[in-house]
Amino acid sequence: AQSVAQPEDQVNVAEGNPLTVKCTYSVSGNPYLFWYVQYPNRGLQFLLKYITGDNLVKGSYGFEAEFNKSQTSFHLKKPSALVSDSALYFCAVRDDTDKLIFGTGTRLQVFP
Amino acid sequence: DGGITQSPKYLFRKEGQNVTLSCEQNLNHDAMYWYRQDPGQGLRLIYYSQIVNDFQKGDIAEGYSVSREKKESFPLTVTSAQKNPTAFYLCASTRTVNSNQPQHFGDGTRLSIL
Repeated sequence: AQSVAQPEDQVNVAEGNPLTVKCTYSVSGNPYLFWYVQYPNRGLQFLLKYITGDNLVKGSYGFEAEFNKSQTSFHLKKPSALVSDSALYFCAVRDDTDKLIFGTGTRLQVFP
Repeated sequence: DGGITQSPKYLFRKEGQNVTLSCEQNLNHDAMYWYRQDPGQGLRLIYYSQIVNDFQKGDIAEGYSVSREKKESFPLTVTSAQKNPTAFYLCASTRTVNSNQPQHFGDGTRLSIL
């Protein structure tokens, strides 16, 4: 079965420190992977995607993600966290019927 | 600016009542989607539409209905058959269903039971 897992419900990090939000996936065929961010009472905003090419993908607001085929992972990273990065982050993968499967979300809390 | 508009932002439903959530987009996208978001469960697909006058059930369609009479509009009706409707509902769109472009989302409607 195709699926996405975000193993951490919450990630806490101090402002200025690097952050990582983890995502692993299981799909048949080549994975099309996405990261979205959600602020309270708002819709999801696109951050970045991996379709093909370089394993390190750069996206909006200084975020990047590393695609690792052997570990079936697509972890979201940022070198220096900001308090304003505090939000809910979703990883998603496109399944073989072209629909998105979303992870359960990881709440990122950045402390001043 | 192009985007997706969902209304109302907050909605309350009485027992036995049907309610309709509005979703309008001016992105000229063919594909539109409805998701339900519950705490700790991520987003679950309710219905989607690839083109005008066509729509398919998603993973949790029971108790919901949709229509797609215009390209710009994809309203969702939460019927009285949906026994646990309290949730945050999100509408999204893409150019086509099989597009590698990201889905664009509206800002959601929060539905509660009176």
